[in-house]
Amino acid sequence: KAGVTQTPRYLIKTRGQQVTLSCSPISGHRSVSWYQQTPGQGLQFLFEYFSETQRNKGNFPGRFSGRQFSNSRSEMNVSTLELGDSALYLCASRASASGYNEQFFGPGTRLTVL
Amino acid sequence: AQSVTQLGSHVSVSEGALVLLRCNYSSSVPPYLFWYVQYPNQGLQLLLKYTSAATLVKGINGFEAEFKKSETSFHLTKPSAHMSDAAEYFCAVSPPNTGNQFYFGTGTSLTVIP
Repeated sequence: KAGVTQTPRYLIKTRGQQVTLSCSPISGHRSVSWYQQTPGQGLQFLFEYFSETQRNKGNFPGRFSGRQFSNSRSEMNVSTLELGDSALYLCASRASASGYNEQFFGPGTRLTVL
Repeated sequence: AQSVTQLGSHVSVSEGALVLLRCNYSSSVPPYLFWYVQYPNQGLQLLLKYTSAATLVKGINGFEAEFKKSETSFHLTKPSAHMSDAAEYFCAVSPPNTGNQFYFGTGTSLTVIP
């Protein structure tokens, strides 16, 4: 099976712009989670989607949003970018929303905000 | 509140020496527990997971971890370090009573000295 794919891999934006990141989960996986990773804050949970519904949400401002499509592909959007949004954004999928199932991670999208 | 503590943000060992990376969790019910490894510019890869079967869990690349409920710990070990083990290691918990959300520790950077 193909792994989790994320596009684009690298992105450079300027403050105030918006950005959309895409994630394709492993075939058959219905749960997709998003994380922000920075050197100072580590891995921070953004949100999780399961069957097109947001199940859990982390402590991020409303500028961060996401959605999941019927084919389980997911997108996350960040509006009005700030310098502090520069980070590696990781997507992870799992077969179901059960905690028994491990998450499989994509390679990430490296976002740089200038 | 759920949390994961990884003692030691940086650990250095000599090649061939024992690797011990510490993870303690707080959860009101026994959670599912995971160890992930992250190599530079890559996503996270699952090393092993504990799902309430055997308390000693064997993973990939010679790593293993032991679940100790009395100590609320899930430390990762490897008898003999290889240069290729140099990476960032993350412990994660998924408590059953929190919607199975994943909570990650802050990570431990392992350096292997030749």
